Amino acid sequence: GAVVSQHPSWVICKSGTSVKIECRSLDFQATTMFWYRQFPKQSLMLMATSNEGSKATYEQGVEKDKFLINHASLTLSTLTVTSAHPEDSSFYICSARNLAGGNYEQYFGPGTRLTVT
Amino acid sequence: GQQLNQSPQSMFIQEGEDVSMNCTSSSIFNTWLWYKQDPGEGPVLLIALYKAGELTSNGRLTAQFGITRKDSFLNISASIPSDVGIYFCAGRTRGTGNQFYFGTGTSLTVIP
Repeated sequence: GAVVSQHPSWVICKSGTSVKIECRSLDFQATTMFWYRQFPKQSLMLMATSNEGSKATYEQGVEKDKFLINHASLTLSTLTVTSAHPEDSSFYICSARNLAGGNYEQYFGPGTRLTVT
Repeated sequence: GQQLNQSPQSMFIQEGEDVSMNCTSSSIFNTWLWYKQDPGEGPVLLIALYKAGELTSNGRLTAQFGITRKDSFLNISASIPSDVGIYFCAGRTRGTGNQFYFGTGTSLTVIP
């Protein structure tokens, strides 16, 4: 149980294009999902909290117009990197909290490697 | 956002040795989680802690929620090669709601 998937697992795009990353909770419902960014050999940095049916909450310094988040259902959240630039290249990881878990455990997806050329 | 201090930053140990790492914060936390991340993959939850003083085991792994609520410890006994990876702590304070903030990570290398 508590499986989270991400798609795609890796993507290469040209500068100026937009990329959408999907995060799905496969065997549980998640009212809240989180998006993280991770640079090589560094820790996970929380970008935003995605709430089903409402606007996402962004961490300080994260541009909401550049990183669009949509949490349309209890099992799906999407992150769209708009007008991507090489500095957006990174490992993006989502996590989801199990609604029925009664606790605050988060389960992570396998991550998406984004390379902007 | 907040970031937790984790130490040591890296460890190189012989197979069979025990491992200890810790995580500290300037804030009081209500929940501590420990994760292991393999290269190119997402973190996998190892242990969750919810009460000060709580000691929880998962196989060869044991984690403790510090009495001060500002720290947590993870021990791995009798290490094996597949323990290699980066270990992260994550903490949640009352004020952050559902959000967890992550430690700086401990890179573990096990030498066969």
